[in-house]
Amino acid sequence: DVKVTQSSRYLVKRTGEKVFLECVQDMDHENMFWYRQDPGLGLRLIYFSYDVKMKEKGDIPEGYSVSREKKERFSLILESASTNQTSMYLCASRFTGTQTYGYTFGSGTRLTVV
Amino acid sequence: AQKVTQAQTEISVVEKEDVTLDCVYETRDTTYYLFWYKQPPSGELVFLIRRNSFDEQNEISGRYSWNFQKSTSSFNFTITASQVVDSAVYFCALRSNTGKLIFGQGTTLQVKP
Repeated sequence: DVKVTQSSRYLVKRTGEKVFLECVQDMDHENMFWYRQDPGLGLRLIYFSYDVKMKEKGDIPEGYSVSREKKERFSLILESASTNQTSMYLCASRFTGTQTYGYTFGSGTRLTVV
Repeated sequence: AQKVTQAQTEISVVEKEDVTLDCVYETRDTTYYLFWYKQPPSGELVFLIRRNSFDEQNEISGRYSWNFQKSTSSFNFTITASQVVDSAVYFCALRSNTGKLIFGQGTTLQVKP
C-alpha cells in the first residue's frame, strides 16, 4: 500500500515562529499536494508540485512556501506563523501513470498557533 | 471556474435509515473526474469512488451507491441502511485538467444508534 506520512499529528507553535510541516511518500509519486482543512470550507489547496524542484501555487498560497528537493518529500513552510494559520493540514500524493485511485492522503497535522 | 458544492453541512439520521449526500459541481472541461472521500475521526481521507465524465452508469458497492447525472451536474452518494460506523465527514471532489483536486465543503454525517 502507498503511504503518505506526515511527521507530526499535532503541533503547537508560537506566533512569528517559522514552522516546517513534512510529508513523505514511499511510492515514487510525481505529484504532491498540500491542503488545509477548515470547518465549513472543506479542503483548500495551498501548493502543489508536479515533480522534484517544481511547485505551483494553489488557491491560498499567501503566508506559505514549499520545498521539494527530493521526490519523496514535500515540505510546507510557514515563514512567520500567525493565529489564522491554525488549521488541519493534509498532504497528498499522486502517481500520474494511473487514474485508478489517483490520490493518497496522509493523516493530517493539526497545527495550533498561539 | 471550477467548483464543488455540498449544500448539506450536517445530517443526522438514526441507524438503518437511508441517507443521500448531495454534490453539485461546475466545470468547463469536457473530460473530468469526480471523487467521494470519507474522513473518519482519525483524520485520514479514505477514497470511496472515482467516476469519469464519460461514464454515467450508476455504481453500487455494498450499502453505498452513487448517482452521476451530467444533465444536472450532480454526483450524489447514498448510504442504504446506515450504520454508526458510517459517521464521518464526506467530501465530494472534482479533478481539474491540471491534476488538482477541488473539494466541496464537506458533509458531516452522524448516525445515531
